[in-house]
Amino acid sequence: TQLLEQSPQFLSIQEGENLTVYCNSSSVFSSLQWYRQEPGEGPVLLVTVVTGGEVKKLKRLTFQFGDARKDSSLHITAAQPGDTGLYLCAGSSDTGNQFYFGTGTSLTVIP
Amino acid sequence: DTGVSQDPRHKITKRGQNVTFRCDPISEHNRLYWYRQTLGQGPEFLTYFQNEAQLEKSRLLSDRFSAERPKGSFSTLEIQRTEQGDSAMYLCASSLRRYNEQFFGPGTRLTVL
Repeated sequence: TQLLEQSPQFLSIQEGENLTVYCNSSSVFSSLQWYRQEPGEGPVLLVTVVTGGEVKKLKRLTFQFGDARKDSSLHITAAQPGDTGLYLCAGSSDTGNQFYFGTGTSLTVIP
Repeated sequence: DTGVSQDPRHKITKRGQNVTFRCDPISEHNRLYWYRQTLGQGPEFLTYFQNEAQLEKSRLLSDRFSAERPKGSFSTLEIQRTEQGDSAMYLCASSLRRYNEQFFGPGTRLTVL
C-alpha cells in the first residue's frame, strides 16, 4: 500500500526551466526524505525534513515540509540535464520500523 | 568506499530455483531494511532489522521469502521456489540516525525465467 502519492508521475522539460514535484499523504510522518535515483542504482538521499513548515535549500533545489507534516514539495530552479532521474519522497513511521516511499516522479531534462 | 554493498548485482535464475542475496550495511549502522522495486515504481518495504532482531515484516512478503541478520552486521534475503513475478530490483538500506535517513546499496537485479 502506497501512503505517499507523488505528482506528476512523469515530467519532461527543457534545460533552464523550473519545476515543482509534490508529495502528498493523509498520514502524518515524523520525518520525510527526498531521494534521487538513476537507472540501475539505489536511491541517493538528498535531504531530510522534520519540522512542519521547514524549508531547506540544496543549491538549485528547494524542499518544503507541510505545516501538518503530511506533504512536501521539491522545487528545482533552472533545471539541468544532470537533474534527470527518478525523484522519490519517503516517510518514516513514528517507530521507524517502516519506511514508505512515494510513487516516484520521473524527470527528464532535455538539453 | 564504506557505503552499503550488495552481492550479486545481477542474478538470472529459472523458475522454481532458490536464490540468496547478501547485503553489507555501513558498519556502524544498526538498522537494516530490504525493499523490492519494479521498473518506474518506488521501492516497496519488505522487512526491517534492528541489530539482529527482525522487527517488521511486510504483508507483501510471502512465506517463500526469508531474511536473516545473524550477528547484527550483514544480512541475507532468500527467495525459495522463485516465480516470474519475483523479478525485480532488491534493494538494501542501512540507517543509524534519529530521523532514519537511509543509505542504499546498488541493488540486486533478479530475473526469473
